[in-house]
Amino acid sequence: EAGVAQSPRYKIIEKRQSVAFWCNPISGHATLYWYQQILGQGPKLLIQFQNNGVVDDSQLPKDRFSAERLKGVDSTLKIQPAKLEDSAVYLCASSLGPGNTIYFGEGSWLTVV
Amino acid sequence: AQSVTQLGSHVSVSEGALVLLRCNYSSSVPPYLFWYVQYPNQGLQLLLKYTTGATLVKGINGFEAEFKKSETSFHLTKPSAHMSDAAEYFCAVDSGANSKLTFGKGITLSVRP
Repeated sequence: EAGVAQSPRYKIIEKRQSVAFWCNPISGHATLYWYQQILGQGPKLLIQFQNNGVVDDSQLPKDRFSAERLKGVDSTLKIQPAKLEDSAVYLCASSLGPGNTIYFGEGSWLTVV
Repeated sequence: AQSVTQLGSHVSVSEGALVLLRCNYSSSVPPYLFWYVQYPNQGLQLLLKYTTGATLVKGINGFEAEFKKSETSFHLTKPSAHMSDAAEYFCAVDSGANSKLTFGKGITLSVRP
């Protein structure tokens, strides 16, 4: 069974530029998450989708971050404009739904210089 | 609200020694508890989880954890450390209907030959 796929794996951009990350969850998984993991910290939930609807985006900095899951499968996370403090690993995860195991991708590493 | 406390940032043990990684949680409802492991440049992999039932749960790679409600703890143990156990370990709690994980800040485990 294929796992959660993410791309690109690594990205270096200058501050004020934009970047987009893509995630393909495990087939059949209705719930999709984006987490931000800053070096030395645990992952922090940015946004949670159930199919193509947003369940929780309370910790998403909406002035610069956006995410969508238009067809209830793939998802993209965009940052525009990027700040130095956005340097982190962006983890995508998915699950069959509430109460089921959450599986993580390998992450997209962002460095903002 | 839910939270996880992982005291300390680094634990070092000798190969063959007992591994003990501590985790305390706060939750307003009966929690689901998880331990994830993260190897360098990889995503998070589920080690084990507690949902209901038996309070001693066994996971992959010889790890186990015991849920102690009275102590609000979910410490991770392994009787004999192996070099391949060197990684970062995250405790997480889910106490909501939407399966939203809240992570601790993680503990880095080093194993000395």
